[in-house]
Parts: sequence; C-alpha cells; structure tokens
Amino acid sequence: DQQVKQNSPSLSVQEGRISILNCDYTNSMFDYFLWYKKYPAEGPTFLISISSIKDKNEDGRFTVFLNKSAKHLSLHIVPSQPGDSAVYFCAASARGSSGSARQLTFGSGTQLTVLP
Amino acid sequence: DSGVTQTPKHLITATGQRVTLRCSPRSGDLSVYWYQQSLDQGLQFLIQYYNGEERAKGNILERFSAQQFPDLHSELNLSSLELGDSALYFCASKASGGSQETQYFGPGTRLLVL
Repeated sequence: DQQVKQNSPSLSVQEGRISILNCDYTNSMFDYFLWYKKYPAEGPTFLISISSIKDKNEDGRFTVFLNKSAKHLSLHIVPSQPGDSAVYFCAASARGSSGSARQLTFGSGTQLTVLP
Repeated sequence: DSGVTQTPKHLITATGQRVTLRCSPRSGDLSVYWYQQSLDQGLQFLIQYYNGEERAKGNILERFSAQQFPDLHSELNLSSLELGDSALYFCASKASGGSQETQYFGPGTRLLVL
C-alpha cells in the first residue's frame, strides 16, 4: 500500500520554464512534507519542506504547495535550470503511535530533465 | 556535503555472507535512520535509533540488525545475504528537539550480492 505516490516517473521541461512535480498521499495523519533531490551515486539532498498548518512555502526558485483537502502537494521550480536535472522524491511524516518517533515515507521519485 | 558519512561506498559479496555498513551522523544529531533503495524503488525505511536506543522499525528483515554506539555512530548488519538484498543503503540523521523534522542523508553504500 503506497501511502505516498508520485505518478509521473519522468518529466522534461525547457530551460527557463516552470517545472511542476506532483505528489499525492493517502494517510491523513501526515502533517509534515519534504522534497528531496537526488543525483546518481549521491544521497538525497533536502530541498524544501512544509508543515500541514501552511499551504505554501517558498525558498528561492523552489515553492511547495500543499492542498490538504485533496491530499496533494506539488513542487514548483522557476526558472528551471539544467543543473536541476535529477530525481525528485517527496516524503511525508506523521507522529508515530503512542508518541513514538516520526519516520519518513517516500514516494517512488520523478526524474526531471531540464533541456538547454 | 550533508555532514553524514557512510562507509564503505561500495561492497561486493556473495550470497550467505554477512556485511556491516557504517554511518556517522552530523555533529550533534542524536537520531540515525537507515533506508534501503532497491532498483527503481523509492527509499524504504528500515530502522531508527535515538541516542543509542531503537526508536522505530520499518520494513526491516529479521536477517538485518542495527545498533547505535555511545559516540552516536551506527552500524547496519546484514546477514545470510540473498541476491535480492542488492541495493543502495542510506543512513540519515536528524537534529533533536523543536520542530526539526528534516533528515539529512549520507552518500549511501551500494551493496551487490553475487
């Protein structure tokens, strides 16, 4: 049962245009969401996060939008650059039962290719 | 550079063998997480330690075990290895307290079981 889904395995955009990566989740207990970028042969690198008390968070060229009613979040990259080409993972976190620790549940990733 | 280190970077071994993967968290981070990424898969949470104690378990096989030492480094032990255990293994660490939920990942260990 995939609780976090990234339905697009790949996305290609032109340099300078907007990249929009999407993520859906099913667990209503998730209250914190993160995006990671991963280059081949490297570990995931944290990009941006958002708490469920917000619907938007912005950091430079990266903006994350959260639609709680639709259980949907998206990452916008504007403008896209060739160096942004990587696999992007969304992840979600919920407080564990009985106050136990949080853990991250990851989507399967979207390969973004930014064409020069 | 996330500040999380993992050794070795690559590991090739045979079925039935046992290996140990090592992780050093960022300075000051008490939590260490282990993840497995198989081919074309997302990252699957295996286990978490906090200040030497096991805190949460995910999809970790009984053949796998982990521990966190007093200096906060962690080791993931994989035994009776099978071909299907070939994967990337990542560790991550997280700051403690407040609303810190971001995990910072190491570069990973690529395990190949032949």
